[in-house]
Amino acid sequence: DVKVTQSSRYLVKRTGEKVFLECVQDMDHENMFWYRQDPGLGLRLIYFSYDVKMKEKGDIPEGYSVSREKKERFSLILESASTNQTSMYLCASSFPSGLNYGYTFGSGTRLTVV
Amino acid sequence: DAKTTQPNSMESNEEEPVHLPCNHSTISGTDYIHWYRQLPSQGPEYVIHGLTSNVNNRMASLAIAEDRKSSTLILHRATLRDAAVYYCTSNNAGNMLTFGGGTRLMVKP
Repeated sequence: DVKVTQSSRYLVKRTGEKVFLECVQDMDHENMFWYRQDPGLGLRLIYFSYDVKMKEKGDIPEGYSVSREKKERFSLILESASTNQTSMYLCASSFPSGLNYGYTFGSGTRLTVV
Repeated sequence: DAKTTQPNSMESNEEEPVHLPCNHSTISGTDYIHWYRQLPSQGPEYVIHGLTSNVNNRMASLAIAEDRKSSTLILHRATLRDAAVYYCTSNNAGNMLTFGGGTRLMVKP
């Protein structure tokens, strides 16, 4: 069964901490994405990556960075966590554009910053 | 970017068909229409996608209007397990999908 795995289901961090959210996919997908989901705002794209060491900003990149050192792993980094980054974070992966396959999502990480 | 518009919520009775509408009037000619659903406490899951022709799979059917400005996701017999938020979206440049608020489907026994 193909999978996108997010390392933590729930996380509680303190304001100012550096936070790492990890995502691993086993489908050999080139594309990987990080979204955050908030009530009433739907899913908003933070960053995405088309290939190893490549990254592109999405709609709301401020306060976040990403790392993709290996094809299967895409990490989201909160440089200095703030309470307004309390949210559900979703990782997804897909084949490249032109093939128009769907995305496969992970189960999400619910992050609370206190 | 193609913007999609869906009703906030819909209700259905169990065992009856459900038609979930979506408007995407600004879609470009090469953008695929995708549908996803999100069950409580889970990430979204892919349901179906299409370009111009109607599509069927084991989960649902997708009916695309001839002018491609709208589409309808059809669940042929709703079950309680189909209660979820359904997202209609399309891929813009670079295969990025932009998700709106979706339609919350409630299924009554």
